[in-house]
Amino acid sequence: KNEVEQSPQNLTAQEGEFITINCSYSVGISALHWLQQHPGGGIVSLFMLSSGKKKHGRLIATINIQEKHSSLHITASHPRDSAVYICAAAGSGGTSYGKLTFGQGTILTVHP
Amino acid sequence: NAGVTQTPKFQVLKTGQSMTLQCAQDMNHNSMYWYRQDPGMGLRLIYYSASEGTTDKGEVPNGYNVSRLNKREFSLRLESAAPSQTSVYFCASSSRTGAIYSNQPQHFGDGTRLSIL
Repeated sequence: KNEVEQSPQNLTAQEGEFITINCSYSVGISALHWLQQHPGGGIVSLFMLSSGKKKHGRLIATINIQEKHSSLHITASHPRDSAVYICAAAGSGGTSYGKLTFGQGTILTVHP
Repeated sequence: NAGVTQTPKFQVLKTGQSMTLQCAQDMNHNSMYWYRQDPGMGLRLIYYSASEGTTDKGEVPNGYNVSRLNKREFSLRLESAAPSQTSVYFCASSSRTGAIYSNQPQHFGDGTRLSIL
């Protein structure tokens, strides 16, 4: 069973700061997902990546397959970025292929 | 553009009562999922459906049943609710190419907050 760990669990930042959230997993994966959960509860998929780096606006996701590690970066953070960020590892073999194991989430609060 | 719609949004039950959580998607997705989210636990898969007419157990299926009524709808039933089933339930869907789980983004509903007294 894949173990997915996120750090930090809680993160507080001032508007404009560069933010990094880390995700480590224990076994090989077919892809790594980053999700955002707003205070109202809705969950949105941000990225899905299996190698390298992806960028969307101020958000950047990177993955290092050899080190079993992914990071989510937010440049020029804004209070509207306040949310829970969740990483999820997709299994790579047999009946586990694509099946998601979720981290516990990182609660981000950005103050004006 | 509704996406994934879950009903109800909130529900309070007494121990032993039964209820069905409804989920519908309008994106023509093959795969649908039911998750529960508990504090400190992360999301956990209850059941999934790779396509219409097929369902399979996930990580925490005990106490639940599901029905994939058609391509659009995937319902979750609690036959005899227990306090341990107090949770927030999310339905999700994704497109699928080939494998039961394909690596496609999952689209989530807004969740159902269920309390069992």
